[in-house]
Amino acid sequence: SQELEQSPQSLIVQEGKNLTINCTSSKTLYGLYWYKQKYGEGLIFLMMLQKGGEEKSHEKITAKLDEKKQQSSLHITASQPSHAGIYLCGTGGAQKLVFGQGTRLTINP
Amino acid sequence: DSGVTQTPKHLITATGQRVTLRCSPRSGDLSVYWYQQSLDQGLQFLIQYYNGEERAKGNILERFSAQQFPDLHSELNLSSLELGDSALYFCASSVGQGKSYNEQFFGPGTRLTVL
Repeated sequence: SQELEQSPQSLIVQEGKNLTINCTSSKTLYGLYWYKQKYGEGLIFLMMLQKGGEEKSHEKITAKLDEKKQQSSLHITASQPSHAGIYLCGTGGAQKLVFGQGTRLTINP
Repeated sequence: DSGVTQTPKHLITATGQRVTLRCSPRSGDLSVYWYQQSLDQGLQFLIQYYNGEERAKGNILERFSAQQFPDLHSELNLSSLELGDSALYFCASSVGQGKSYNEQFFGPGTRLTVL
């Protein structure tokens, strides 16, 4: 079965700094989702990537899928307190999603 | 607001009891998915229904069951509850039955505490 590993598991950055979260798959990714979860709340869809080399941006968040389609990165530019939360990568689509363990992001003022 | 609703928001019960979690998908979505999120296991897929029929099963215990009704809302039944069943239970919905990469919209979750 496919497994996703996220790194780092937690991240503390100062407000205004850039950061990157990585998601590595044990198998080729045919669809990669990024979700954000506020502590104890539901998941908010951020982006979906499908093609090797694809890159998508939404506001200050950019996600990329590498050419080999086994790794994705999520980059936040000029972080803000509103970016704090848990970021999850997920893959699947054929009936279910498999998720990484999540990266807990804390933004310090 | 994703458009997916879940009730109740919180549930506290005792070991051995049975509870029912309810989910209403987004208008127009035919697929409903159930997930369990715990600290040690992360977010795990339990089961999927599409238009009333079970389509996929994940790590769902035999003590757990689910169904999707004609109005497309879904219920997850958890019985003979154990301490380890304490978790956040999420429902998600999507338009299709999962043959393509459809975005899944997640509800706010039900936090179950078993004492």
